[in-house]
Amino acid sequence: QVQLVESGGGVVQPGRSLRLSCAVSGFTFSNYGMHWVRQAPGKGLEWVAVISYDGNNKYYGDSVKGRFTISRDNSKTTLYLQMNSLRPEDTAVYYCAKDLLLRTGFDALEIWGQGTMVTVSS
Amino acid sequence: SYELTQPPSVSVSPGQTATITCSGDELGDKYVSWYQQRPGQSPVLVIHEDFKRPSGIPERISGSNSGKTATLTISGTQAMDEADYYCQAWDSSTVIFGGGTKVTVL
Repeated sequence: QVQLVESGGGVVQPGRSLRLSCAVSGFTFSNYGMHWVRQAPGKGLEWVAVISYDGNNKYYGDSVKGRFTISRDNSKTTLYLQMNSLRPEDTAVYYCAKDLLLRTGFDALEIWGQGTMVTVSS
Repeated sequence: SYELTQPPSVSVSPGQTATITCSGDELGDKYVSWYQQRPGQSPVLVIHEDFKRPSGIPERISGSNSGKTATLTISGTQAMDEADYYCQAWDSSTVIFGGGTKVTVL
């Protein structure tokens, strides 16, 4: 069955970096766009970034633009989120999610992982 | 920037109908998706492209979208429907989520 497993979360000091990974199985990873979404404790969902199936198109939310980078390795069926210059307000559970659409564009976030917690604190 | 507005909470009695709204400028011109998030769990897609249900989502969950308002309707509400619900749309190549609505089944 489809599985998305995030890893790489933890406690990090403000200003430092962290890289999250999302290992995927159960579907043809190279055919689908992928998203990162985060949720601060007790708060709602905040979209972070999306990458197209081939990695050629990337879009970011305003709050992370210029600090975070989304990437993928289709040979390893893994999605990444490089997070630099971390701030306390980046503290959240980070989810990866598979897009619904096959290759052409983006639509809904069809399948979600279980999330990984990132805490930015001194 | 584009915003989607949802009521913070909705209460419903078991067996009754819960209606959750999501409003935004010219929202009817966009596709709206809805996600259910039960406590301690990851979100689950329940409606996409305004009214389409993924496999495994019961027929008593339905969606519509027109004008400035999208609506998620849960008919014959059950205890298992108690959750947070988020609407979502695309605007200028970015994903926008509504603030979420907590549905309480009394």
